[in-house]
Amino acid sequence: DTGVSQDPRHKITKRGQNVTFRCDPISEHNRLYWYRQTLGQGPEFLTYFQNEAQLEKSRLLSDRFSAERPKGSFSTLEIQRTEQGDSAMYLCASGTSSGNTIYFGEGSWLTVV
Amino acid sequence: AQSVTQPDIHITVSEGASLELRCNYSYGATPYLFWYVQSPGQGLQLLLKYFSGDTLVQGIKGFEAEFKRSQSSFNLRKPSVHWSDAAEYFCAVGATGNQFYFGTGTSLTVIP
Repeated sequence: DTGVSQDPRHKITKRGQNVTFRCDPISEHNRLYWYRQTLGQGPEFLTYFQNEAQLEKSRLLSDRFSAERPKGSFSTLEIQRTEQGDSAMYLCASGTSSGNTIYFGEGSWLTVV
Repeated sequence: AQSVTQPDIHITVSEGASLELRCNYSYGATPYLFWYVQSPGQGLQLLLKYFSGDTLVQGIKGFEAEFKRSQSSFNLRKPSVHWSDAAEYFCAVGATGNQFYFGTGTSLTVIP
């Protein structure tokens, strides 16, 4: 049973650099979600896809953030011109449009120095 | 607007003692309610969920939660806590597979 996998697990980058995270959902899941979590907080919704369509984006997702799911399978989350405030854990989750439960990956830690 | 409140930021219990973590939600319709657990540096693991029916739901690791509509609550309980239960616990509300809203979490410390 393969769950949601995320890569890389940890990323340290210099301010101003671009970073990209990848998420592979559970294979039969057509919905994929990105969340951001900072220390001491719960996950905050960023965006979600149904198949390859990006159906909703949070206002938290500034113009420097872009997410794609080109073939309706894996997804990437790119952050351009990183800022120190982007330091957080980026969580991916997947689920189905007929179900009401989402399952999370282990997360990708981003540290911007 | 949908929201979740977890009033207790941090709770400390002795191993073997009972546990109750509080969760209150605000939602316009019948909510889908969840409890997740997160160990340090890890993702979130689903403990249990409530959609409808019996208001007392059982989950993994000996946890249970009770939905009380009149109190807009979905408190998590465990009769006897183990040291391995030390973690961060998140309550969440969602519907129809769209956005899921999370509380700020309750950190559980278990002392021997």
